[in-house]
Amino acid sequence: DVKVTQSSRYLVKRTGEKVFLECVQDMDHENMFWYRQDPGLGLRLIYFSYDVKMKEKGDIPEGYSVSREKKERFSLILESASTNQTSMYLCASSSLGSAGPRSANEQFFGPGTRLTVL
Amino acid sequence: ILNVEQSPQSLHVQEGDSTNFTCSFPSSNFYALHWYRWETAKSPEALFVMTLNGDEKKKGRISATLNTKEGYSYLYIKGSQPEDSATYLCALLYNTDKLIFGTGTRLQVFP
Repeated sequence: DVKVTQSSRYLVKRTGEKVFLECVQDMDHENMFWYRQDPGLGLRLIYFSYDVKMKEKGDIPEGYSVSREKKERFSLILESASTNQTSMYLCASSSLGSAGPRSANEQFFGPGTRLTVL
Repeated sequence: ILNVEQSPQSLHVQEGDSTNFTCSFPSSNFYALHWYRWETAKSPEALFVMTLNGDEKKKGRISATLNTKEGYSYLYIKGSQPEDSATYLCALLYNTDKLIFGTGTRLQVFP
């Protein structure tokens, strides 16, 4: 059974704290993604990675950084959390597309982390 | 800015009703369309990945069609059941590596 796990389901942090969200997949996927979900908006891509130590900015990377030291693990870092980063964060992974865009294949999602920044 | 629109925003149907909803998108530079189902308190899961104009895919009572020339996809659910209650997300892939998600259609099926 394929699995993407995230380190926490719920997290409460204070403004200015450094926050780490961890994601692990067991499918040997090359691609990993971080999204955030806010009411009334679609899932928005923060960062993605198509290989170890590789990262590319998504649509809303400001205020975030990522780390991919091992193939199975992709971390999202909020350097100094702010209240506007209160959101649901979803991690996903997919195998590398064999032709065309690298993220052509279906994505497998984790259960999400609901982060509240006070 | 590429925009993916889903309609309706929400839908309430009775058990046994068939239903359908729409994903609309700009058709130029289209590469693939993904449909996901997201049940409350669970992870989104992929239903279909569609790439060819005229594609039709089916999984049980759920099917989808794709028209890339006019920029839309329909998702159909035949004989809706309470367990079909979920948010259905459409996402588009153009000639980049980024999926662009719509805001979803929230379906509730009443027994």
